[in-house]
Amino acid sequence: DARVTQTPRDKVTEMGQEVTMRCQPILGHNTVFWYRQTMMQGLELLAYFRNRAPLDDSGMPKDRFSAEMPDATLATLKIQPSEPRDSAVYFCASGLALQGTEAFFGQGTRLTVV
Amino acid sequence: QKEVEQDPGPLSVPEGAIVSLNCTYSNSAFQYFMWYRQYSRKGPELLMYTYSSGNKEDGRFTAQVDKSSKYISLFIRDSQPSDSATYLCATRKSGGGSEKLVFGKGTKLTVNP
Repeated sequence: DARVTQTPRDKVTEMGQEVTMRCQPILGHNTVFWYRQTMMQGLELLAYFRNRAPLDDSGMPKDRFSAEMPDATLATLKIQPSEPRDSAVYFCASGLALQGTEAFFGQGTRLTVV
Repeated sequence: QKEVEQDPGPLSVPEGAIVSLNCTYSNSAFQYFMWYRQYSRKGPELLMYTYSSGNKEDGRFTAQVDKSSKYISLFIRDSQPSDSATYLCATRKSGGGSEKLVFGKGTKLTVNP
């Protein structure tokens, strides 16, 4: 059963701490998305990668957020330093370009910054 | 103005009712339209997918797109308690699959037994 795996599921941290969220995309998928979901804004695209190269990270606050794909099986989203306004659910999704398949979402990481 | 507007509800209906969920969008470049369903504390899952204007039916679900009015609809017939979830409309421009999606905020639906 192919699925996108995100860790951790829940994270509570203090303001100013570094937070790292990890995502294992579905094997064979070449596109990875990071979305953030809040009640106020809904789902917002932070960044996405194609074949591990960043295509668009315009939705990401550059001063504190960074996204990488060290290899095809791992995507990371880091926040340093974290702030209370970063509290949200962060979703990773993966898909396969050129075959018209839409993105499959992971279960999300619920981040609370206190 | 957001690119995709969706009434957040909440919407509460009795079991068996017909449900109508709607979105509007502003960018005429959007060509692909999707509905995602999201259960509590889960990730969104793709429910329906349509290209350009027209209707698409899948069981109890019908997706409708009217590009002339930039209006997207999802109809659920014979609604069931298991349909209780948040429904998100999404759209993207043309291109290969897995291009970035723009989402509505979602409508929370409760179907009461």
